[in-house]
Amino acid sequence: DQQVKQNSPSLSVQEGRISILNCDYTNSMFDYFLWYKKYPAEGPTFLISISSIKDKNEDGRFTVFLNKSAKHLSLHIVPSQPGDSAVYFCAASLNAGNNRKLIWGLGTSLGVNP
Amino acid sequence: DAGVTQSPTHLIKTRGQQVTLRCSPISGHKSVSWYQQVLGQGPQFIFQYYEKEERGRGNFPDRFSARQFPNYSSELNVNALLLGDSALYLCASSLVPGLYNEQFFGPGTRLTVL
Repeated sequence: DQQVKQNSPSLSVQEGRISILNCDYTNSMFDYFLWYKKYPAEGPTFLISISSIKDKNEDGRFTVFLNKSAKHLSLHIVPSQPGDSAVYFCAASLNAGNNRKLIWGLGTSLGVNP
Repeated sequence: DAGVTQSPTHLIKTRGQQVTLRCSPISGHKSVSWYQQVLGQGPQFIFQYYEKEERGRGNFPDRFSARQFPNYSSELNVNALLLGDSALYLCASSLVPGLYNEQFFGPGTRLTVL
């Protein structure tokens, strides 16, 4: 059962336009959400995160929006650049006993065309 | 400063064999986590170690085991390999467990089981 869902396997946008990557989750116990970016032959790198008590977090060209009632979050990249072409993973975290668990989505492959 | 390093980069084994994967965390990081990423999916949590003790275990069979050494490096062992164990195995380190926004990944070990 996929608790974190990224329903779009791929997305293609033009350079300079906005990229919007979506993520849905099912477990209301998730209290922290993260986006990672992964280039081929490299490990994922942390991009941006948001706590469940907030609805928006911005870092430069990257903004994450959280809609708790809809159990939905999105990552906006403005403006998109060719170097943003990568696989983007949405991940959600919750407390599990004396540890925190991190559950990942399947990823969305973003292609930014020059 | 060196990032997280993993060895070997690639590995080919046959069914029933055993494999050991190695990970060296970023200097000063005491927590190491292992993930399995099957093609087309997000990373799945396998183990987390902190200060040489297991702090978390994902839903993997007992064929998977790990340990952390006094220098905080770690090994992941998989016995009786199955075709389904073919995946990218990622190691990540952080100062302490649960700091997922400050978790750094290595490039991974690509395991192919024939």
